[in-house]
Amino acid sequence: QVQLVQSGAEVKKPGSSVKVSCKASGGTFNNYAISWVRQAPGQGLEWMGRIIPILGIPNYAQKFQGRLTLTADRSTSTLYMEMSSLRSEDTAIYYCARASAVPDYGAYETWGQGTLVTVSS
Amino acid sequence: QSALTQPASVSGSPGQSITISCTGSSSDIGTYNYVSWYQQHPGKAPKLLLSDVSNRPSGVSNRFSGSKSGDTASLTISGLQAEDEADYYCASYININTVFGGGTKLTVL
Repeated sequence: QVQLVQSGAEVKKPGSSVKVSCKASGGTFNNYAISWVRQAPGQGLEWMGRIIPILGIPNYAQKFQGRLTLTADRSTSTLYMEMSSLRSEDTAIYYCARASAVPDYGAYETWGQGTLVTVSS
Repeated sequence: QSALTQPASVSGSPGQSITISCTGSSSDIGTYNYVSWYQQHPGKAPKLLLSDVSNRPSGVSNRFSGSKSGDTASLTISGLQAEDEADYYCASYININTVFGGGTKLTVL
């Protein structure tokens, strides 16, 4: 059974960058897309983008184009989400989530525990 | 890409059935049979309930069922139980992206 374990909470200043990791264990890593989804306090889920580790090619939601970078380290089965030019509205819990099938059609069966990113001066 | 539209809240009594709608457009739900549903309890990560409109992953109760008509998908929960009280989100695949609904809070009376 695949597990996703994310890095710990972060506090960042406006204008800075944050990098969150998501380590996969216990199953097939390379073929299944990993998406990143965020949830602002008291708000709904927002899909940010995905990457297929074996290909290493990400695609991003239009809203995050230019600010979001998704990468995969196949040697350590770890995914990374880096967001730049942070603003207070980016304060949220960030989740990594593994697609339930190949290809990925938007169903995510395995989720990380979430990483709280707080952007505050 | 706009979020899918869900009712903000629904409620029901134990044992009853409820339905949560998820309205999109001809570009997403109307085109693709790739609608998924998630349940989220406070402080927890979302849990996948249904994929591809109506497919239940292993371990998900058959009290949860899904359907789609035109641009609207629906989640039905039958035999409502106290532990069903949670937030529910729909999601649709669209042109290599995924879009979520705004979420629906289910209250079990």
